[in-house]
Amino acid sequence: GNSVTQMEGPVTLSEEAFLTINCTYTATGYPSLFWYVQYPGEGLQLLLKATKADDKGSNKGFEATYRKETTSFHLEKGSVQVSDSAVYFCARSGGSNYKLTFGKGTLLTVNP
Amino acid sequence: DAGVTQSPTHLIKTRGQHVTLRCSPISGHKSVSWYQQVLGQGPQFIFQYYEKEERGRGNFPDRFSARQFPNYSSELNVNALLLGDSALYLCASSTRTSGTVNEQFFGPGTRLTVL
Repeated sequence: GNSVTQMEGPVTLSEEAFLTINCTYTATGYPSLFWYVQYPGEGLQLLLKATKADDKGSNKGFEATYRKETTSFHLEKGSVQVSDSAVYFCARSGGSNYKLTFGKGTLLTVNP
Repeated sequence: DAGVTQSPTHLIKTRGQHVTLRCSPISGHKSVSWYQQVLGQGPQFIFQYYEKEERGRGNFPDRFSARQFPNYSSELNVNALLLGDSALYLCASSTRTSGTVNEQFFGPGTRLTVL
């Protein structure tokens, strides 16, 4: 079945450091790929998405590129801020787009 | 515009009891999905409803059921609660079920604790 594997944390960085969170997905069908962020005590917010191979999603300085050849969708940010501290989830859509399959999440802590 | 709303925020039940969780989608959204998020894990898909019909079901036992009302709000029911049902239950709404990528907007969740 469909699955998503993402780098397990926790990840601790200093402010302005470079961030990479790895994510790979099963190559079944033609999924859309997403990164969601969950701040403490809150629900999930869509951070960015990509719908086909070589698409790049970007938002708030975060980027991820849909790599079909490596079945990857790694999240990157050039300079993290304390306010980026949260749990990040990689997800893929199902074949009919109605279901999201999530990775286990990566806790990011950014220290000043 | 109001986002997805869920009630209650927190709930404590004992084993064997029944629980009903409620969700109101964003205005104009006709699709509602439910997810279970156990502590330290990613959300797991439970159900999706579109236009009051079940359109998808995850790998959950029959103790879990749901329905969608004419105003597109939804209820998730769980019978015979087990300790393992303790989790954050997330509701998400979207405009469509298939075709173009339909972003799912998540509510804040209901935290269920089973004692």
